[in-house]
Amino acid sequence: QQQVKQSPQSLIVQKGGISIINCAYENTAFDYFPWYQQFPGKGPALLIAIRPDVSEKKEGRFTISFNKSAKQFSLHIMDSQPGDSATYFCAASFNTGTASKLTFGTGTRLQVTL
Amino acid sequence: DAGITQSPRHKVTETGTPVTLRCHQTENHRYMYWYRQDPGHGLRLIHYSYGVKDTDKGEVSDGYSVSRSKTEDFLLTLESATSSQTSVYFCAIARVPNNEQFFGPGTRLTVL
Repeated sequence: QQQVKQSPQSLIVQKGGISIINCAYENTAFDYFPWYQQFPGKGPALLIAIRPDVSEKKEGRFTISFNKSAKQFSLHIMDSQPGDSATYFCAASFNTGTASKLTFGTGTRLQVTL
Repeated sequence: DAGITQSPRHKVTETGTPVTLRCHQTENHRYMYWYRQDPGHGLRLIHYSYGVKDTDKGEVSDGYSVSRSKTEDFLLTLESATSSQTSVYFCAIARVPNNEQFFGPGTRLTVL
């Protein structure tokens, strides 16, 4: 059962444009929502994360928007650059009592064209 | 890279053979995780550890076992590899519960 749904599966954006990736979750016990960036042949790298007590978090060109009532969150990449071309994963975490467990979306392959 | 190494980085093996993947960390983190990554599935948790000799199952644990006899090493074993276990395996660490996880470089395993 997939608990985190991510869309779109792939995205093509022109240089300088805005890239938007959306995720929706079902489990209201999730309390931490990170985004990971992955380049081919590399491990996922933490990009930005948010907790549900805030509606938006911005770090440089990357912004997470969080809608707790709708159980949705999104990643916005402003002024997208060719170097941003990668696969992006949203995730959601909850604490089991012994550790936190991440559930990932299926990923979005972003291509930024010149 | 949070001081995480994985070995081997690539392995080709045959169905029915045992395989052990190693995750090694140098920063004394308590929490360690094993994930597999497959197209269309994202990353899925296999097993995790919350201390030496303390482990628990993730969502896709069938066919896998783990061991953690030292803080720095977390081993993933496929007792009898199957073709469905062909995947890229990632180890991750977390400094505290409910906090960021950092991933290693991955091991690409092919089971023929």
